[in-house]
Amino acid sequence: GAVVSQHPSWVICKSGTSVKIECRSLDFQATTMFWYRQFPKQSLMLMATSNEGSKATYEQGVEKDKFLINHASLTLSTLTVTSAHPEDSSFYICSARAGAGANVLTFGAGSRLTVL
Amino acid sequence: KQEVTQIPAALSVPEGENLVLNCSFTDSAIYNLQWFRQDPGKGLTSLLLIQSSQREQTSGRLNASLDKSSGRSTLYIAASQPGDSATYLCAVRGTVENNNDMRFGAGTRLTVKP
Repeated sequence: GAVVSQHPSWVICKSGTSVKIECRSLDFQATTMFWYRQFPKQSLMLMATSNEGSKATYEQGVEKDKFLINHASLTLSTLTVTSAHPEDSSFYICSARAGAGANVLTFGAGSRLTVL
Repeated sequence: KQEVTQIPAALSVPEGENLVLNCSFTDSAIYNLQWFRQDPGKGLTSLLLIQSSQREQTSGRLNASLDKSSGRSTLYIAASQPGDSATYLCAVRGTVENNNDMRFGAGTRLTVKP
């Protein structure tokens, strides 16, 4: 079945540095990828929708200059947390779908970011 | 904007009990509804997917129902086991007009005691 891989699965960084998280669809082409954030004991919150070859659409309250999303190919989307701060520490998950209206979204295993 | 609510937030039951988790959503114009399981610190495992035209789906000891008109779904777990302990998330996927995005409930944290 469809597989989405996220890398790294966990990362620790110092405050002020930037961190890049990759989301890859391993056996299908993902025209659209979604990025979510999950704080402890809370649900997943959609951050942005990324369509291949175009700019990401960000949810209200999500800073696009802080969370840079690139979807340059049909199998790879990246989320870069710029100038990370401790409050950015969270669990980030991506999901991908094969095409508009595709029946299934496939989720990655998530990436846990800890900012010291 | 679609809002998804899950009740209860936490549930503890003895092994062997049957249980029901509830999910409600505010906008009935949905593409599908999905139930996930999440273990601590890990990603999501899809349990059941119900299309907007369907009423229920079953997989093993799990049965999910959908009443789109009333904005409700339930996840029924039969003969619960300690291995079922996890957080269960309900997610509603919007129509193409709503960008097909997915909104999650806050989850129900289930503990099944041996």
